[in-house]
Amino acid sequence: AQRVTQPEKLLSVFKGAPVELKCNYSYSGSPELFWYVQYSRQRLQLLLRHISRESIKGFTADLNKGETSFHLKKPFAQEEDSAMYYCAYSGAGSYQLTFGKGTKLSVIP
Amino acid sequence: EAGVTQSPTHLIKTRGQQVTLRCSPISGHTSVYWYQQALGLGLQFLLWYDEGEERNRGNFPPRFSGRQFPNYSSELNVNALELEDSALYLCASSSARGGMRNTEAFFGQGTRLTVV
Repeated sequence: AQRVTQPEKLLSVFKGAPVELKCNYSYSGSPELFWYVQYSRQRLQLLLRHISRESIKGFTADLNKGETSFHLKKPFAQEEDSAMYYCAYSGAGSYQLTFGKGTKLSVIP
Repeated sequence: EAGVTQSPTHLIKTRGQQVTLRCSPISGHTSVYWYQQALGLGLQFLLWYDEGEERNRGNFPPRFSGRQFPNYSSELNVNALELEDSALYLCASSSARGGMRNTEAFFGQGTRLTVV
């Protein structure tokens, strides 16, 4: 079955430390990969997508087809980064997203 | 601009009952997606509607159904409720038939359903 795996349910880092949220996918085609974020009491929203190659709020993610990974990284964590992060993909010919179970990031002051 | 709105925000039903959840997409969006977020299971795709038609459905039993109206709002109906249907039901909308793959999807706040 096509899957998105986020191995960490919870990740705690200190403010100013680097952050890496892991995401692996199992799909043999050419997927589109996304990171969605949900801040406390806010809606789930798009953070970034691999095709746009943007850096949003200091976060970047590189698609590694060899390792089938799309890890989310930020060099220096901020307290406002504390949130639930979901990795998602859309396979070729698919119009909806398949989400991972999410990783809760907690940035310790 | 108003975002995706869902109603009700919370409800409690007893096992065996039926429930209808409602979603109003962002103005101009024609696609509506429904997801179930049950504890520990993440977001599971339920249904996709576009231009009034059901385009795809996830791996859920037929007692989960819905429809999309001419104004692109949508309803999700769940019949014969079971305890494991307790979850947050999220609705999302996007602007084009390219769907969530090609255009940004905007999510509502969700409806928290508790089945007792």
